[in-house]
Amino acid sequence: LAKTTQPISMDSYEGQEVNITCSHNNIATNDYITWYQQFPSQGPRFIIQGYKTKVTNEVASLFIPADRKSSTLSLPRVSLSDTAVYYCLVGSGFQKLVFGTGTRLLVSP
Amino acid sequence: SQTIHQWPATLVQPVGSPLSLECTVEGTSNPNLYWYRQAAGRGLQLLFYSVGIGQISSEVPQNLSASRPQDRQFILSSKKLLLSDSGFYLCAWSVQRTANTEAFFGQGTRLTVV
Repeated sequence: LAKTTQPISMDSYEGQEVNITCSHNNIATNDYITWYQQFPSQGPRFIIQGYKTKVTNEVASLFIPADRKSSTLSLPRVSLSDTAVYYCLVGSGFQKLVFGTGTRLLVSP
Repeated sequence: SQTIHQWPATLVQPVGSPLSLECTVEGTSNPNLYWYRQAAGRGLQLLFYSVGIGQISSEVPQNLSASRPQDRQFILSSKKLLLSDSGFYLCAWSVQRTANTEAFFGQGTRLTVV
């Protein structure tokens, strides 16, 4: 799996848009980019996955530039309940899934 | 639909005692199975990975072991627990032979070794 780098922590306020960027310079051709959300004392939960360009679902958007060496998870209008750790995972389902250290997002009132 | 069961939810064990955590998956066949450990405030550490019955890949040398006696059953064991084994243990599964990296996690077991 490609090594990923993301900020250790981020702070935001309710109602703001939050963008978390993940760097993955050695991404392989067959690799997908997947983001997970984890609340305390729970297992991570799949948020979104993409291969290139932009993917959007009811929870978030994922922006992937043409070179695919980075990706940005965008959370629109965050609320207090979005306070969690967000993991960027790059790889293929044909490989074992190794998570990085994640980004701890704190949303304040 | 697919579900994953992991138990117990919490466990307090003395140092030197054995450990057995069990995970079962329903509603799918031939899943990839994983055991992760998470120390307080830290990321997920992959412990074991399995692509089939009896096929276990150990990622971290330690006093833990894993077994997969049935297709959808994954067991984490230890003969003698150490204080450093305390943590939050998570079982997960993913679909095999697909590029999809979506994994589904159990509710976790909070293990405290005293």
